[in-house]
Amino acid sequence: AQSVTQLDSHVSVSEGTPVLLRCNYSSSYSPSLFWYVQHPNKGLQLLLKYTSAATLVKGINGFEAEFKKSETSFHLTKPSAHMSDAAEYFCVVIHYNQGGKLIFGQGTELSVKP
Amino acid sequence: EPEVTQTPSHQVTQMGQEVILRCVPISNHLYFYWYRQILGQKVEFLVSFYNNEISEKSEIFDDQFSVERPDGSNFTLKIRSTKLEDSAMYFCASSEGPGQATQPQHFGDGTRLSIL
Repeated sequence: AQSVTQLDSHVSVSEGTPVLLRCNYSSSYSPSLFWYVQHPNKGLQLLLKYTSAATLVKGINGFEAEFKKSETSFHLTKPSAHMSDAAEYFCVVIHYNQGGKLIFGQGTELSVKP
Repeated sequence: EPEVTQTPSHQVTQMGQEVILRCVPISNHLYFYWYRQILGQKVEFLVSFYNNEISEKSEIFDDQFSVERPDGSNFTLKIRSTKLEDSAMYFCASSEGPGQATQPQHFGDGTRLSIL
């Protein structure tokens, strides 16, 4: 069965410093992985997706994630945090053969200090 | 950019009452989903819907829940007799294909359901 674990419930960085949000996955198959972001009182916005075409995936707003099979990880990074990056971030995996069901991690709240 | 829209943004209902949450998926999408997020907990899958049928449903999606695509644009979630534990944010999503990474799911802003 597929699952994802986000290793930090809360990450705090200063504006202009790098962001690292950690996610480990478990999957019997080659997984399809996503990162979604949720700003306060807003829906879930797709940041990026891993489709096995490339291990380094670039997303919107300067975010990227690297798929590492040996470490079963899909960490999200950004070189320089911006105040507008403050939000909840979800690592997500698709559960194959279950109608497109997405399985969400617990979420990581990112705070950005001025 | 096309969006998934959900109405209302906030619904307050007395326990035991029926509630209908409405969604307008992206127009060329064929697969539809409902998820919910209880405060402080993970986002959980409820149901997926394709070709006017439920494709998959979770254990949460019991007989009190139903989904419908009453016309060519709306996708609704009905809770027949609401319980306190149904209080949550409900998200609708849609996708062109059955959710693989090349055709990801797009989410609405959610409906916050409060049961009193």
